Amino acid sequence: KAGVTQTPRYLIKTRGQQVTLSCSPISGHRSVSWYQQTPGQGLQFLFEYFSETQRNKGNFPGRFSGRQFSNSRSEMNVSTLELGDSALYLCASSGMDEKLFFGSGTQLSVL
Amino acid sequence: KNEVEQSPQNLTAQEGEFITINCSYSVGISALHWLQQHPGGGIVSLFMLSSGKKKHGRLIATINIQEKHSSLHITASHPRDSAVYICAVRSWAAGNKLTFGGGTRVLVKP
Repeated sequence: KAGVTQTPRYLIKTRGQQVTLSCSPISGHRSVSWYQQTPGQGLQFLFEYFSETQRNKGNFPGRFSGRQFSNSRSEMNVSTLELGDSALYLCASSGMDEKLFFGSGTQLSVL
Repeated sequence: KNEVEQSPQNLTAQEGEFITINCSYSVGISALHWLQQHPGGGIVSLFMLSSGKKKHGRLIATINIQEKHSSLHITASHPRDSAVYICAVRSWAAGNKLTFGGGTRVLVKP
């Protein structure tokens, strides 16, 4: 069974640009959640989707958005990038038992 | 004060030693997760628990709902156990969002 796949693995952007990250969950998992990890703030919850509906949202500005498609794949978008958005972005999928399976993450650097 | 506090922040042990990592939280929860993150690696979920105790191999996780406290124990520690261990709680008071502790960096020396 394939794991959670995140693309791209690395990304370099400049301030003011926007970025879209992709997450393909484990087959059969309908819940996808996104997290930001930085050395200073640690892991923080961004949002969670279930069957194409946003179920929860963390305390991030509106520049951070996401969506989930009918095949459960999810994307997150960050507009008007700031230097402080440099981080590892992780997604996780879960099934009925709610155990989390994480992807390897996308390392975003904003210059 | 963070909703989820872990202790210690760093821990160094000799191979074979018994290791305990603690997690205290201040909110009502529906579940608590223990996660493991190796350097440069992804995150692996070790346990999800809402009561009692779970065991997997050399790892044991316990939770005391009344005291709002959980522990992760590693028996007969091995250098491959060197990683950051993260506690996360899903709180119904916070709309079922996951809130993370700061992590405990464990180094097991051979």
